[in-house]
Amino acid sequence: DQQVKQNSPSLSVQEGRISILNCDYTNSMFDYFLWYKKYPAEGPTFLISISSIKDKNEDGRFTVFLNKSAKHLSLHIVPSQPGDSAVYFCAASARAGNNRKLIWGLGTSLAVNP
Amino acid sequence: DAGVIQSPRHEVTEMGQEVTLRCKPISGHDYLFWYRQTMMRGLELLIYFNNNVPIDDSGMPEDRFSAKMPNASFSTLKIQPSEPRDSAVYFCASSFQGHGYTFGSGTRLTVV
Repeated sequence: DQQVKQNSPSLSVQEGRISILNCDYTNSMFDYFLWYKKYPAEGPTFLISISSIKDKNEDGRFTVFLNKSAKHLSLHIVPSQPGDSAVYFCAASARAGNNRKLIWGLGTSLAVNP
Repeated sequence: DAGVIQSPRHEVTEMGQEVTLRCKPISGHDYLFWYRQTMMRGLELLIYFNNNVPIDDSGMPEDRFSAKMPNASFSTLKIQPSEPRDSAVYFCASSFQGHGYTFGSGTRLTVV
């Protein structure tokens, strides 16, 4: 049972335009969400996170939006650059107690075309 | 800091052999995670440690897999005996208080 779903395996965007990557989750206990970026032959690197007490978090060109009622979050990249081409993973956790376990989506491969 | 260091980067072994993957976390980090990545299942958490103590090993697929963390600067993931279905990329990650992980570059394991 996939608790975190990234339904688009791939996305192609023109340089300078907006990239929107989507993520849905099923577990209402999740209260912390993260996005990671992964280049080939490297480990994932942390990009941005959001707590369930917020509905938006922004860091430079990257903004994450959280819609708790829809159990949906999205990552916006504006403007998109060729160096953003990578696989993007959505992850979620229920941080009650000492739990530090992240549940991951399968990833969306983003291609930003010059 | 050199980041999370994993060795080897690539491992090819024959079915039935023992495989040991190694990880050196970032100094000062108190959490260490072992993940396996496959095309079909994505990133799966195998086990994680807090202050060298295993907290959750529910993701370890079977008894052939074992992990240890003898001290704060070293961890191993062992597969004995290895099988072809164990072929995957294995990642180690560390974290301070569980806030944001730093991943190593992974070990690509091929069991033939």
